[in-house]
Amino acid sequence: DTAVSQTPKYLVTQMGNDKSIKCEQNLGHDTMYWYKQDSKKFLKIMFSYNNKELIINETVPNRFSPKSPDKAHLNLHINSLELGDSAVYFCASSQTRSGSPLHFGNGTRLTVT
Amino acid sequence: ILNVEQSPQSLHVQEGDSTNFTCSFPSSNFYALHWYRWETAKSPEALFVMTLNGDEKKKGRISATLNTKEGYSYLYIKGSQPEDSATYLCAPRGGSQGNLIFGKGTKLSVKP
Repeated sequence: DTAVSQTPKYLVTQMGNDKSIKCEQNLGHDTMYWYKQDSKKFLKIMFSYNNKELIINETVPNRFSPKSPDKAHLNLHINSLELGDSAVYFCASSQTRSGSPLHFGNGTRLTVT
Repeated sequence: ILNVEQSPQSLHVQEGDSTNFTCSFPSSNFYALHWYRWETAKSPEALFVMTLNGDEKKKGRISATLNTKEGYSYLYIKGSQPEDSATYLCAPRGGSQGNLIFGKGTKLSVKP
């Protein structure tokens, strides 16, 4: 069983569309995250979600919205996609927010044309 | 924590060589330091989480040390093998509620 799974693996879409990336973890972790691997290959935090508390990175445009129906899921919804949104997006989870290692999903490569 | 520097950016070694990389970070408001191993076409995998000054952790041929007062951590690989080829990321956390800030990584290539 995959511990942190995200779908789809690849997503190709046109500018202006709205799309979602799903993430599920079966580890019983309390905290989930979305990271973006930017053009310089840095992993940058977008959101963390812990016990219904959402921490937002202020640099993330409000076109990006995380949605957590329950503790095991943190989906990423993106409105009005732009060319610059093309990147690899990684979901991750950890047992707690502070002292636990992150477990990453395999990433979703988003290409906006 | 804003500035996380890893050096070198890339490293090419022969099988059997021992090697080490550096992660530098601001020492103020330090809470924890993570190391991850990221193989091509896979996702990052956690190696170590260290919190105390002077911490040393070991997993097989890989070990890490932490100096929180001067703001650096070393990752050592003894007797490198081709399967050690990967990008090694460090990520300090500032404060118990702060986010992990990832460095750009050191890309290691081990030639057989």
